[in-house]
Amino acid sequence: EPEVTQTPSHQVTQMGQEVILRCVPISNHLYFYWYRQILGQKVEFLVSFYNNEISEKSEIFDDQFSVERPDGSNFTLKIRSTKLEDSAMYFCASILSRTSPNEQFFGPGTRLTVL
Amino acid sequence: AQTVTQSQPEMSVQEAETVTLSCTYDTSESDYYLFWYKQPPSRQMILVIRQEAYKQQNATENRFSVNFQKAAKSFSLKISDSQLGDAAMYFCAYRSTKAAGNKLTFGGGTRVLVKP
Repeated sequence: EPEVTQTPSHQVTQMGQEVILRCVPISNHLYFYWYRQILGQKVEFLVSFYNNEISEKSEIFDDQFSVERPDGSNFTLKIRSTKLEDSAMYFCASILSRTSPNEQFFGPGTRLTVL
Repeated sequence: AQTVTQSQPEMSVQEAETVTLSCTYDTSESDYYLFWYKQPPSRQMILVIRQEAYKQQNATENRFSVNFQKAAKSFSLKISDSQLGDAAMYFCAYRSTKAAGNKLTFGGGTRVLVKP
């Protein structure tokens, strides 16, 4: 069964450092998403991506964040200068079509710890 | 903007019994999708069940069923014959059919504890 994969599973970084979280969405999917979940809180939408551009982003997704699909398979989330409050679980998700009733398929997540 | 509310932070159920999780949402749209996701301790997000707003029939997946009340904007999840493996966080989620990115909006979650 196809699945979304994410690497690394756990990333520890120092405040102010740049991190790149990687995702490989399901191969024929067209829409890609990043969500985050601070420990003990709900899952929050960060950004959606389609046709090589951002289609929607939340207030959380400020200038410190960027996304790209560099090679047609990977979908990355970059945080330029990490803050303590960026510590969270980051989930990548993908879906075939925006009109599909099917669910977004989630990856297993990357736990980001900022020290 | 759409909001999703889960009013029960935690629910406890005896093994083999039934538990119902509440979810309400706020939207001005008439067409949308609703989902229940399960998040076990591994924190993987797993789809439990989905409901299309235009369908009047409540969705069912094995031991999981929903009570979708569109006018009341309510979408509760019933877990029948609860099993130890059902213990997890459960998140209700809303997805518009119109928004550009079709993001999921999640509720705050309900932790389900299953007692043997």
